[in-house]
Amino acid sequence: DQQVKQNSPSLSVQEGRISILNCDYTNSMFDYFLWYKKYPAEGPTFLISISSIKDKNEDGRFTVFLNKSAKHLSLHIVPSQPGDSAVYFCAARTGGFKTIFGAGTRLFVKA
Amino acid sequence: ETGVTQSPTHLIKTRGQQVTLRCSSQSGHNTVSWYQQALGQGPQFIFQYYREEENGRGNFPPRFSGLQFPNYSSELNVNALELDDSALYLCASSLGKGAGTDTQYFGPGTRLTVL
Repeated sequence: DQQVKQNSPSLSVQEGRISILNCDYTNSMFDYFLWYKKYPAEGPTFLISISSIKDKNEDGRFTVFLNKSAKHLSLHIVPSQPGDSAVYFCAARTGGFKTIFGAGTRLFVKA
Repeated sequence: ETGVTQSPTHLIKTRGQQVTLRCSSQSGHNTVSWYQQALGQGPQFIFQYYREEENGRGNFPPRFSGLQFPNYSSELNVNALELDDSALYLCASSLGKGAGTDTQYFGPGTRLTVL
């Protein structure tokens, strides 16, 4: 039962352009959403989050948008940099301790 | 730097054996969560310990067990290893119970291969 889905295994973007990573979820009880970034041989690192009562959260080059009616969230990176190349995980919580992750999207930013 | 460390980095076991993986949480963090990440998948929640007591469990059988110690270290034990247990095992520590805005800090993981 995949409650958090990232349907694009990979994404390739030119440096300086926008990267848009998408995530869909099925559980309407999720109240908090997070994005993590993972480099090879490292653990996931928290990037940005959004509460279910918001529709947008911005932190520098990173913006997360939440569309509750569509059960969809997206991460925008503007402008994209080669150092952003990593695997990005979308994750969700239901108010408890359990964090449910998507399968990840590998982002390649070409110089 | 997150301050969460895990050992060993890599491990090879055979089916039916038992394994213990170790994690050292960030100082002051009362909660440790363990995740299994199979190839091509996202991390899957195994269980969480808060102040040395199990605080919740994902959909994993009882042969997956854990311990948390007062010195912010913890263990994941897996008995009767199966081939499907081959995965990257991640631990994550947090101040609170990992809900809401509580940030989890992940270690680099232990890569377990079961032959």
